[in-house]
Amino acid sequence: SQTIHQWPATLVQPVGSPLSLECTVEGTSNPNLYWYRQAAGRGLQLLFYSVGIGQISSEVPQNLSASRPQDRQFILSSKKLLLSDSGFYLCAWIKSATSTDTQYFGPGTRLTVL
Amino acid sequence: AQSVAQPEDQVNVAEGNPLTVKCTYSVSGNPYLFWYVQYPNRGLQFLLKYITGDNLVKGSYGFEAEFNKSQTSFHLKKPSALVSDSALYFCAVRLTGYSTLTFGKGTMLLVSP
Repeated sequence: SQTIHQWPATLVQPVGSPLSLECTVEGTSNPNLYWYRQAAGRGLQLLFYSVGIGQISSEVPQNLSASRPQDRQFILSSKKLLLSDSGFYLCAWIKSATSTDTQYFGPGTRLTVL
Repeated sequence: AQSVAQPEDQVNVAEGNPLTVKCTYSVSGNPYLFWYVQYPNRGLQFLLKYITGDNLVKGSYGFEAEFNKSQTSFHLKKPSALVSDSALYFCAVRLTGYSTLTFGKGTMLLVSP
């Protein structure tokens, strides 16, 4: 069966510091991968998605970037965090865009920027 | 462009009563529709989906949803609510051939004992 992991679970960082959040998927190959941010416990904002290694699409221009160095690894980064980067970051995967499969979510990372 | 509306920020229901969480959508093609549930500080859990076929879809934990094409709705229902159903519920839509989801803003369900 497939499993999705996110690391770390919680993170407190000062303004201006760098960021690296990691997402890994087990039990599948060549998944589509997604990063979402959820602010104030509500709506989900799609940040990035990737259909393959090295292929990143950005949905919202901002202080963040994403990379996919391996097939089942998706990384969210920032060089300098802003207060507005605080939120709950969720990684998700789906087997294929052409299938009727479901998008599954990881457990999330709670980021607080002080 | 596609969009999803969840008109209620919060739904309150007493335990044992039926519950409905509303969702309407707007798309230009054939939609795939999904419901997810989120407990505090957790990721989203998949409840059910409509792809094609029977308009009444049954999912996890006794939840079901009815796809109504004429009203462009996909309301989530449960015959008898439990206190443990209290959580944040998201409706989402995806177009055939695309993998990105468009989410509603979420509805908080509070079930009182």
